Formats: sequence, structure tokens, C-alpha cells
Amino acid sequence: SQKIEQNSEALNIQEGKTATLTCNYTNYSPAYLQWYRQDPGRGPVFLLLIRENEKEKRKERLKVTFDTTLKQSLFHITASQPADSATYLCALGSGGYQKVTFGTGTKLQVIP
Amino acid sequence: ETGVTQTPRHLVMGMTNKKSLKCEQHLGHNAMYWYKQSAKKPLELMFVYNFKEQTENNSVPSRFSPECPNSSHLFLHLHTLQPEDSALYLCASSQARAGQETQYFGPGTRLLVL
Repeated sequence: SQKIEQNSEALNIQEGKTATLTCNYTNYSPAYLQWYRQDPGRGPVFLLLIRENEKEKRKERLKVTFDTTLKQSLFHITASQPADSATYLCALGSGGYQKVTFGTGTKLQVIP
Repeated sequence: ETGVTQTPRHLVMGMTNKKSLKCEQHLGHNAMYWYKQSAKKPLELMFVYNFKEQTENNSVPSRFSPECPNSSHLFLHLHTLQPEDSALYLCASSQARAGQETQYFGPGTRLLVL
């Protein structure tokens, strides 16, 4: 069955460092992969989308890579700030473009 | 905010009650979704509506009954729920076409079934 794993439930890093979150998947051939941010008591907010034929996408301090051979996406936040503390979700979409499968998320804590 | 509102934000109900969750989007989208988010579990897609027509029902029990009167409004009618149905219920919207996969989520309704 399809499975999405995000590297860990929680990740603590020091302010100013680069946070790297991992999303691995099995038994899946996604057409695209998305990253969302979710704060406590709120709905997820879209951050970035990367398609299967793209290797890397950037947006300000965010960078996403997508390796369909390794079946893995890496999500980087450079120069991390306490305000980046949140849960980050990866989501995979395939042929049925509206049917998106989410991972359980990684809770990031940036320590001042 | 995201342009998607949900009411109520919190709801406590007994197993014999009937209640409804409401979602409204102000983004001009024509696809709307219901998701369930339980602790330590990934978001689970429940229903998808495109242009007011239901196009996806992810094997959801009949005690959850969705309604989409127009492209801007979505309801989830609840009756005879179980305690395991306690969760955060999220509504989302998007454009109903490939290449427009970004979904915009509301803040959710935190439901507790006693």
C-alpha cells in the first residue's frame, strides 16, 4: 500500500541554522509533491509545489528538492527563525489531481 | 487569512445529537473538500465536490453527510457520531483543474463527541 514517511515527529534546531525535513514515499508514483505549514489550531497553508520533472524549487528562504529515483523530497529552511516553528506536512498528488495524500508531518522547533 | 471560513470553530456533541459544520470560501474556486485530522494521523480526505457535484467519497461512514448547495458553500451534517469521530475537521477549496493543485484550507472545526 502507499506510504508516506516524514523523517521524524519533531525536529529541534538552533536559530540561524538550516532546517532539513525529509519526506519519503513507497508504492507511489506522484505527479507532484507539495509542502504545507500548519500552526496549532489552524489549517495547513501551502508553501511550495514541485512536479515530477523538476529537481529543485526555491521561494525566499525555502528550498525543495524532489528525487523520484530515491522516492524522496527534502525541504530546507535556511537562516531559520523562531517564527518558522510549526508542523510541516508533505503531500503527494498523482493522476487524480485532486486526490492528495498527506504525511503525518514533522514538528519543527527553532530555538532562539 | 486564507479566504476559507469554517463555523463553528469548536463543537461538543453527544452521540445522539445532530449537528452541521459549515464552510464558505471567498476565492472563486469551484472545488471543495472535507478532511479529517486526528492526532498522530495524516489528514484523511473525506469528500470532494466539483461544481457542486460530489466526485469523491473516500469510504466515509453514512453518519457523515455532505451537502454542497453552490460552489462557495459546503456543509457536513453529523448524526449519531461515535467518540472516535472526535477530530479536527478541515475544509479546503481549489480550482477544479489540473495545474491548479494548491488547496486553501480553513481553520477547522474541533469536534468532540461524548
